[in-house]
Amino acid sequence: GEDVEQSLFLSVREGDSSVINCTYTDSSSTYLYWYKQEPGAGLQLLTYIFSNMDMKQDQRLTVLLNKKDKHLSLRIADTQTGDSAIYFCAERSGNNRLAFGKGNQVVVIP
Amino acid sequence: DTGVSQDPRHKITKRGQNVTFRCDPISEHNRLYWYRQTLGQGPEFLTYFQNEAQLEKSRLLSDRFSAERPKGSFSTLEIQRTEQGDSAMYLCASSSGVNEKLFFGSGTQLSVL
Repeated sequence: GEDVEQSLFLSVREGDSSVINCTYTDSSSTYLYWYKQEPGAGLQLLTYIFSNMDMKQDQRLTVLLNKKDKHLSLRIADTQTGDSAIYFCAERSGNNRLAFGKGNQVVVIP
Repeated sequence: DTGVSQDPRHKITKRGQNVTFRCDPISEHNRLYWYRQTLGQGPEFLTYFQNEAQLEKSRLLSDRFSAERPKGSFSTLEIQRTEQGDSAMYLCASSSGVNEKLFFGSGTQLSVL
């Protein structure tokens, strides 16, 4: 089945790197995603990784995937105040929908 | 701007009333999803359409909930006899199916008094 877990809260100083972690349970997941949600808004797709990849870099974002441990992480380099938000990881497994974690609140301190 | 629009943004209703929400997906997307999000939680899947066919429904979708996508374009989600536990953000998303990237609307925030 699908069960995605995330830690709840992270504070980081502006300019530092932040790392958000996620674990998932469905080993058949084909794609894994990171979404960002700002207050009162919908979810914005940040990046995604295919399950046969270990790493994907997209500007300030680096996604690492450890399939053996079913662990996914998102690293944000040079964190900015605009990065303050809730970050959700999600997995797509055999069916055509995404299962989301509970989210990780990131607060960037100026 | 993701291109998915939802209406209304906010809805306040009394318990027992019926409410209907609308979602207009990105025009070339054939897949449309409804999710529900409560405070402090991630989005939970409700239902999914491919074109006009409703292909999957979550057990969260009780008999009081019905969703339609009559022409394979916009979709409506109706909740009958609303209960306080229905208070949540209702999110719509669409996808072209490639990489199953979902693009979300801003949601409809429902408050049942």
